[in-house]
Amino acid sequence: EVQLVESGGVVVQPGGSLRLSCAASGFTFDDYAMHWVRQAPGKGLEWVSVISWEAGSTYYADSVKGRFTISRDNSKNSLYLQMNSLRAEDTALYYCGKESGYGNYISRGIDFWGQGTLVTVSS
Amino acid sequence: QSALTQPASVSGSPGQSITISCTGSSSDVGGYGYVSWYQQYPGKAPKLIISDVTNRPSGISNRFSGSKSGNTASLTISGLQTEDEADYYCSSYTSRTNLLFGGGTKVTVL
Repeated sequence: EVQLVESGGVVVQPGGSLRLSCAASGFTFDDYAMHWVRQAPGKGLEWVSVISWEAGSTYYADSVKGRFTISRDNSKNSLYLQMNSLRAEDTALYYCGKESGYGNYISRGIDFWGQGTLVTVSS
Repeated sequence: QSALTQPASVSGSPGQSITISCTGSSSDVGGYGYVSWYQQYPGKAPKLIISDVTNRPSGISNRFSGSKSGNTASLTISGLQTEDEADYYCSSYTSRTNLLFGGGTKVTVL
């Protein structure tokens, strides 16, 4: 059974930094790209970032480019999101998601989702 | 990049069929066969119900079907049931930023 468990969400002040983690199990982690998707309270889904299976390629939404960094440690079956220069509009539930395409596919879709970790940016 | 365009809400009576549209451009929906649909209940994580425009993952009811014409993809729910009341989102690969979601559609069963 595929399981994705996010952690690291807290209340942080504007301008602050935070690192989210996602622990994966139930599948061969280094065979798939991985995504971060966020959902602001009462709003829709917003794709944030994706990293290829071997971490050689990373992509970001314009809204986070230059502030967020995605990474992964295949030896630990873990995905990360380093979030810097946080803004109030970054407040959201952050989901970790497994890419549906195998291997070199990066963004065919997301076939498994974690339960999310809440990031609140407020003074 | 703006979200893919979905109707804010769609409603139907039990047993009816409804269709949710997802409109993009030739840089996303129209240019690639990588449209997915997700179902989300309040307070829950999204769940994949359609991948690659038309494919249903294992365990997904055959009442859900997907299609695409030009720059618009569609999700049809046939034989509408009360348990189908949820939010539905489309996503597509995009050459611009990689993955793009629709704004979401709230389905109400009357």
